[in-house]
Amino acid sequence: ETGVTQSPTHLIKTRGQQVTLRCSSQSGHNTVSWYQQALGQGPQFIFQYYREEENGRGNFPPRFSGLQFPNYSSELNVNALELDDSALYLCASRASSGANVLTFGAGSRLTVL
Amino acid sequence: QQQVKQSPQSLIVQKGGISIINCAYENTAFDYFPWYQQFPGKGPALLIAIRPDVSEKKEGRFTISFNKSAKQFSLHIMDSQPGDSATYFCAASSRFSGNTGKLIFGQGTTLQVKP
Repeated sequence: ETGVTQSPTHLIKTRGQQVTLRCSSQSGHNTVSWYQQALGQGPQFIFQYYREEENGRGNFPPRFSGLQFPNYSSELNVNALELDDSALYLCASRASSGANVLTFGAGSRLTVL
Repeated sequence: QQQVKQSPQSLIVQKGGISIINCAYENTAFDYFPWYQQFPGKGPALLIAIRPDVSEKKEGRFTISFNKSAKQFSLHIMDSQPGDSATYFCAASSRFSGNTGKLIFGQGTTLQVKP
């Protein structure tokens, strides 16, 4: 069991740029969720992917988009970066059985200047 | 109605003491209440979880107490150790939101256990 791995661990972008964050789900998990964790706050749900389709979304604008691939790896894309997008982005995977148990990765720390 | 309110924001406890963190929720559709532990530079890790059909769940030094009528639940850490120093998040979710892995997290409590 390899756990959830995310890349890159840290990155710096400037306002208006675009960023892609990557996630490799835990073995056997085919559902992936993305969360945004601002400094000193709890994680906030962005969206979830199951069978390569988005099947749940939080209160985030369309410039936050994602992909899930047949091998269950996933990407989070953010366009037109804003300063408030600076945060830790967490990927979490779970089995498709409907169980709520999420396994989180260590996150990607995004700084927007 | 989707909020989960957590308190205190920070907590300092002596080694061997009891750490208590409280959470309150509004949405009565919530039916799963986990606690996550997060160390600096790491993602949250599931510590213990409870469903509303029981009032208490214990795993080692960690206990969740759940009060359905008050819509509150709490984490008790017995015999707190310096290694327990971390940020703790309560969360809630509802199976009626479909297959979504949507957890609603509290704001977090930073626990420091002094030797």
